[in-house]
Amino acid sequence: EADIYQTPRYLVIGTGKKITLECSQTMGHDKMYWYQQDPGMELHLIHYSYGVNSTEKGDLSSESTVSRIRTEHFPLTLESARPSHTSQYLCASSPRVGWHTEAFFGQGTRLTVV
Amino acid sequence: AQSVAQPEDQVNVAEGNPLTVKCTYSVSGNPYLFWYVQYPNRGLQFLLKYITGDNLVKGSYGFEAEFNKSQTSFHLKKPSALVSDSALYFCAVRDSNAGNNRKLIWGLGTSLAVNP
Repeated sequence: EADIYQTPRYLVIGTGKKITLECSQTMGHDKMYWYQQDPGMELHLIHYSYGVNSTEKGDLSSESTVSRIRTEHFPLTLESARPSHTSQYLCASSPRVGWHTEAFFGQGTRLTVV
Repeated sequence: AQSVAQPEDQVNVAEGNPLTVKCTYSVSGNPYLFWYVQYPNRGLQFLLKYITGDNLVKGSYGFEAEFNKSQTSFHLKKPSALVSDSALYFCAVRDSNAGNNRKLIWGLGTSLAVNP
């Protein structure tokens, strides 16, 4: 099992609420990623970070924001949740050394906005 | 442009039969190729990768994949399928020549159903 953790696993929340999805890894990885995935569908990269104080937007435009103040922590925030944000969010990390290394994924957070 | 294609949305095989999940790719340089598996309501798990060297790569749970440069393919295989192999399988590629923009390019996924 990879040492990358996401909380909560499931979240049902009302429209307009602010939410933060947590992602932490204990492997000392510099690179971290957030993906959005509808059930059984493709992965869309929404944010990534190559180290502390480094964040970039991914290929899919997202209203969420991220921060990387500590190496091990990469939270994703939605200031005002909407039903269109309903999806599964997957966090991943990989080591800094080499682009040939595989990514390790958390269990995911399934978000439902009602 | 970099791309990955998984031409089959779904693959159905009988338990005990060999399985193949197909993947083709397009990159400008040498590819780093990966296979991941996703069980229902779970994150992705790494299965195997090709970086360089032997074209036949062995991975977790008895899976293997063969890198074919001339056909730009990296098909996932298993000699004898198990019902527990039923899951969503993703192929991904990274271009070794992409400079700093070496993001993983993901296929759309193939749903594998192994029937008892």
